[in-house]
Amino acid sequence: AQSVTQPDIHITVSEGASLELRCNYSYGATPYLFWYVQSPGQGLQLLLKYFSGDTLVQGIKGFEAEFKRSQSSFNLRKPSVHWSDAAEYFCAVGRYGQNFVFGPGTRLSVLP
Amino acid sequence: GAGVSQSPSNKVTEKGKDVELRCDPISGHTALYWYRQRLGQGLEFLIYFQGNSAPDKSGLPSDRFSAERTGESVSTLTIQRTQQEDSAVYLCASSLDGVPGNTIYFGEGSWLTVV
Repeated sequence: AQSVTQPDIHITVSEGASLELRCNYSYGATPYLFWYVQSPGQGLQLLLKYFSGDTLVQGIKGFEAEFKRSQSSFNLRKPSVHWSDAAEYFCAVGRYGQNFVFGPGTRLSVLP
Repeated sequence: GAGVSQSPSNKVTEKGKDVELRCDPISGHTALYWYRQRLGQGLEFLIYFQGNSAPDKSGLPSDRFSAERTGESVSTLTIQRTQQEDSAVYLCASSLDGVPGNTIYFGEGSWLTVV
């Protein structure tokens, strides 16, 4: 069965530090991959997505993610974290004609 | 409308009562999804509608849960005989069609509290 794992439940980084959030998926073909952010009290917002082409994708708010087929991973990165980045981050897999499967989420805390 | 609209935004109900949650997708979007998010947890798939195809109900947790969609517009999620474990945010999302390369847009959610 298709699945998405996010090994880190909670990550804390200092403002200005770099960030990497991990995402691994299990799927029989190249999936469509997404990262969403959920800020406190707000809805989910798409950060970026990948479905073909360049394996390094750029998103909003300075985020990027790299698709690595050999590792079945789609890790999210940001070179310098801002306090406003504190939120819950969800990795998701989309499959044609089927529902989207979301990972359990990683909560990011940012220290001043 | 400009985005996915859900109502009510908050609902407190007594255990055993029925509730209806409504979702208005973005106009023209044929795909509609319902997810449940319990406090501090991830998104749990409930049901997926795509055009006139039979909905994917594989995520509905029990027969107390049902959902309908009128054509390619409004959807209603109904929970009968609510239980305390039903307390969660119910998120609706829509996309242009079932092609996963298209972005899915989420509503703000309906917060359900069963007391």
